[in-house]
Formats: sequence, C-alpha cells, structure tokens
Amino acid sequence: EPEVTQTPSHQVTQMGQEVILRCVPISNHLYFYWYRQILGQKVEFLVSFYNNEISEKSEIFDDQFSVERPDGSNFTLKIRSTKLEDSAMYFCASSVVETASGGPITDTQYFGPGTRLTVL
Amino acid sequence: LAKTTQPISMDSYEGQEVNITCSHNNIATNDYITWYQQFPSQGPRFIIQGYKTKVTNEVASLFIPADRKSSTLSLPRVSLSDTAVYYCLVGSPRGNTPLVFGKGTRLSVIA
Repeated sequence: EPEVTQTPSHQVTQMGQEVILRCVPISNHLYFYWYRQILGQKVEFLVSFYNNEISEKSEIFDDQFSVERPDGSNFTLKIRSTKLEDSAMYFCASSVVETASGGPITDTQYFGPGTRLTVL
Repeated sequence: LAKTTQPISMDSYEGQEVNITCSHNNIATNDYITWYQQFPSQGPRFIIQGYKTKVTNEVASLFIPADRKSSTLSLPRVSLSDTAVYYCLVGSPRGNTPLVFGKGTRLSVIA
C-alpha cells in the first residue's frame, strides 16, 4: 500500500536556525498539506499546496514558514528561524480528489509518520 | 465547518465491540463524516468515511442516521493495539479542504 514518507523522523535544532522538513507524498496525489501537533494538543492545519502554489494557509503559517515542491516527488516545509514554540510533531499529508458513487467528490487525506522537531 | 462533539475518553476490554458516537448538529448538505485514528507519536490514520446510512470496511463500520446529525464509529472485537485517539471530522471534501481536528476520543483497551 502506498504511503506518505517523511524525513527526518527527529530533528533537533538551536533556536534561530533554519530547518527543512521533507516529505514524499503518495505518487498519484495532487494535493499536499502540512499539519503540526504540539505535545498534548490538537493536530493543527498549517498549509495546503496544489499545482505548485499555496492554496490555503492558517494564521500559524507566517513569514517564517515556506513550502516548496522542488522536484516531482518531494514536498518540503522550511522554517527560516526557529523558535522554541515551533517544537512539535510536523505531519505531511497528501490526497487526490475522488468521486464516490452517490455522493460528492471525496478527498481523503493520508498522513505521514511525522517529524518530531525539537528547538533548544 | 460543522462542530463535532465526542466523548473525551472510553475504556473497553479486549474482544468487545466499541461504539464511539459523534454529534454534528450543524452538518451541511455536502459534508462528509470522516474518522481518523492516531497512535502516540504517529500521524493520523484514515479509518473510514461516509455520507449517509452505513459504511463498512475491513477495520470498522460507520453508522449515520437519516438526519446525519450524529454518527457512530463501531470497532468490532477490539484488541490492545486499538488503544488510540479517534477523531471524528465533518466537512466538505471538495478540493484541498483543511482538516479540522478536535480533541478526539481516547480509547483505552484493557486486557
């Protein structure tokens, strides 16, 4: 079964440093997403990406964040200058629009295993 | 986005059937109901999705009454490995709609 993969599984960085989190979405998927989950809290949406541009972003996704699809397979999240409060699990997800019988178009998002980011 | 309400936690013994109910009184006509499962330090995993009546797959069943204001995730014969947080999400599945997760239901399966 195809899976979303993410690297690294754990990233430790110093405050103020730049980090790049990498994701390989499922190969035939068209939409890509980043979410984060601070320890003990809800999963929160950061950004969605389609056709090589950002479709939607949350208020969390400020100027410190950027996303890129540098080639046909990778999808990256860059945090330019990390803060202590950026420590969280970061999940990549991907989806493809499907049509279900008798109903509207469905859009199941499949998540990767996450990258645990620790900012010291 | 439709607000969802589900129990914070549930306990069950191994081998029992577990039913987790989610209320979504203001569900919209085009909204789908989707359930995800999350183990500690892992990404949410899609379990099942439905629009009306009943949906069943190899993992679970989803029961949706005619008014669609609630839904019930049914896990048959749970095992210890089903201990996880279960999220009920309601929203339009069009395009790349962001998923909005609540706090979910923490299911603990006891031997």
